Amino acid sequence: TQLLEQSPQFLSIQEGENLTVYCNSSSVFSSLQWYRQEPGEGPVLLVTVVTGGEVKKLKRLTFQFGDARKDSSLHITAAQTGDTGLYLCAGASLRGTYKYIFGTGTRLKVLA
Amino acid sequence: NAGVTQTPKFQVLKTGQSMTLQCAQDMNHEYMSWYRQDPGMGLRLIHYSVGAGITDQGEVPNGYNVSRSTTEDFPLRLLSAAPSQTSVYFCASTTAGTANEKLFFGSGTQLSVL
Repeated sequence: TQLLEQSPQFLSIQEGENLTVYCNSSSVFSSLQWYRQEPGEGPVLLVTVVTGGEVKKLKRLTFQFGDARKDSSLHITAAQTGDTGLYLCAGASLRGTYKYIFGTGTRLKVLA
Repeated sequence: NAGVTQTPKFQVLKTGQSMTLQCAQDMNHEYMSWYRQDPGMGLRLIHYSVGAGITDQGEVPNGYNVSRSTTEDFPLRLLSAAPSQTSVYFCASTTAGTANEKLFFGSGTQLSVL
């Protein structure tokens, strides 16, 4: 059983639409990261959020860390076809040696 | 700068065969880890290491062994491959200073066990 659940699992939208992806857990994390993965490649980091309630913006992407540091969301405004990919959240364990646990993933397809 | 290098890119095994997936990084990262990626499951942590001589289990360690004799290398061994180990395997590394560090990933090894 994975500690981080993402929803939705799949999302297909038209270019220009907005969307939100959720990452939820019953565990508390030191930090929460979001990665994007293209086919045939490893994931690439988009952002790291550390403080409960923190909001970070990366162009059209807005990331938020829950107040209790158990959940996070990724909001994309005016999606573009270049946003297509697999989005993964990853939580870093609070305990001494850091384990990075990944979520189940959200596969996004943006149609022209 | 090569970053994280995984070999081989593709591998087909028969049930019961053994093999080692290689992972090397040239960034002097203390932290290295192995993940497997299956459809609909995201990435699941197999084993990780925070330095030479130190390894620990992740979420799905059964059927896999690791060792960390040098900072640069972190091989993953399958002693007796099973069809359930068919997956895409990723190695990742980072500095171990805090929990906020960026993970650098290799390009993956696609393994099929028949």
